[in-house]
Amino acid sequence: ETGVTQSPTHLIKTRGQQVTLRCSSQSGHNTVSWYQQALGQGPQFIFQYYREEENGRGNFPPRFSGLQFPNYSSELNVNALELDDSALYLCASSSDGTSIYEQFFGPGTRLTVL
Amino acid sequence: DAKTTQPPSMDCAEGRAANLPCNHSTISGNEYVYWYRQIHSQGPQYIIHGLKNNETNEMASLIITEDRKSSTLILPHATLRDTAVYYCIAHRGTNFGNEKLTFGTGTRLTIIP
Repeated sequence: ETGVTQSPTHLIKTRGQQVTLRCSSQSGHNTVSWYQQALGQGPQFIFQYYREEENGRGNFPPRFSGLQFPNYSSELNVNALELDDSALYLCASSSDGTSIYEQFFGPGTRLTVL
Repeated sequence: DAKTTQPPSMDCAEGRAANLPCNHSTISGNEYVYWYRQIHSQGPQYIIHGLKNNETNEMASLIITEDRKSSTLILPHATLRDTAVYYCIAHRGTNFGNEKLTFGTGTRLTIIP
């Protein structure tokens, strides 16, 4: 069974640029959630995709957007990057077929905005 | 999700039991207590969860008070690999695939050799 993978592992961008982060969910999982983790803080929920539809969103502006593909992999896009977007971006997959709500996290993508 | 409160940091000697407290005084009847941990430079990892009964698995034990207002995660024989940030989360635990996890700042547990 393959776990959750994310790419790239590290990324450096400049203010105003756009970035795309990628996530492959664990086999058999149909739900992907994205979180932003600033240094010294806990992960903050950005949004969730369930069967290719956005299914819940946290307090993030519209320049944070996403996609989920038929194979349930997902992308997080951030436009007009700001310095405060520097963070670890975590992807987590889960399934609505399980009896408990356990999210499986990937190792994250560390984004630095200069 | 109900708010949870945890001490910011704790130390524990290697080989001893690590007891991590969590306060969730406003937890509702249908919310479970979940524990995740995050080892440095990794994503969070699920440890255990419970509703009102004490729970044990291969990683840890979870003790929930009778009034459900607080709980304790117990790592029975802490090792250096248990050094991590531990998050206590109150969550409804539905299986509809549409629920977020609300993380606080957690407890940074350091295991001392």
